Amino acid sequence: GAVVSQHPSRVICKSGTSVKIECRSLDFQATTMFWYRQFPKQSLMLMATSNEGSKATYEQGVEKDKFLINHASLTLSTLTVTSAHPEDSSFYICSADGPDETQYFGPGTRLLVL
Amino acid sequence: RKEVEQDPGPFNVPEGATVAFNCTYSNSASQSFFWYRQDCRKEPKLLMSVYSSGNEDGRFTAQLNRASQYISLLIRDSKLSDSATYLCVVNRRGGNKLTFGTGTQLKVEL
Repeated sequence: GAVVSQHPSRVICKSGTSVKIECRSLDFQATTMFWYRQFPKQSLMLMATSNEGSKATYEQGVEKDKFLINHASLTLSTLTVTSAHPEDSSFYICSADGPDETQYFGPGTRLLVL
Repeated sequence: RKEVEQDPGPFNVPEGATVAFNCTYSNSASQSFFWYRQDCRKEPKLLMSVYSSGNEDGRFTAQLNRASQYISLLIRDSKLSDSATYLCVVNRRGGNKLTFGTGTQLKVEL
């Protein structure tokens, strides 16, 4: 089946630093990937849609200059949280459009900003 | 009003019980519907798609009522391993963007 990986699985960083999260489709190519964020006891919220070879499209209220997305190949999208602050601490999950038009989710990255 | 609404629960049921979850969605143009399962601190995993005619997968039955904008999931003969949060998910019109409900927590007990 289609597999999506994320790296790192968890990261702790100091306030003000930038953190990069990678999302890879391991056995299929994904033109489109999605980035979600989930706070405790809340639903997954779509942050942005990452399109290979073009700019990402961001959901309302998500700052594109703070959450930089790069989708340089058909198997890799990266999300960089710039100048992270404690309120950015969350569970970040990516997904990729699979070959059967189903979204496959990565295992998520837990970010803790001190 | 939230796009997808669910009763957060928790639903505490004994093993072997039948339990039903409900979900309503606000966008009448929504095209695709799903139930996902999310275990604690894990990513969501697709449980089943939901079709207008209703569909069944083993102990799980999903129903869709487009007129009422209502989706349901029925779990029969519940197992301890069914304990998780069940997410109602709707595909937005014109793309593959998914909107997630907040989830309904199920705890199956001995």
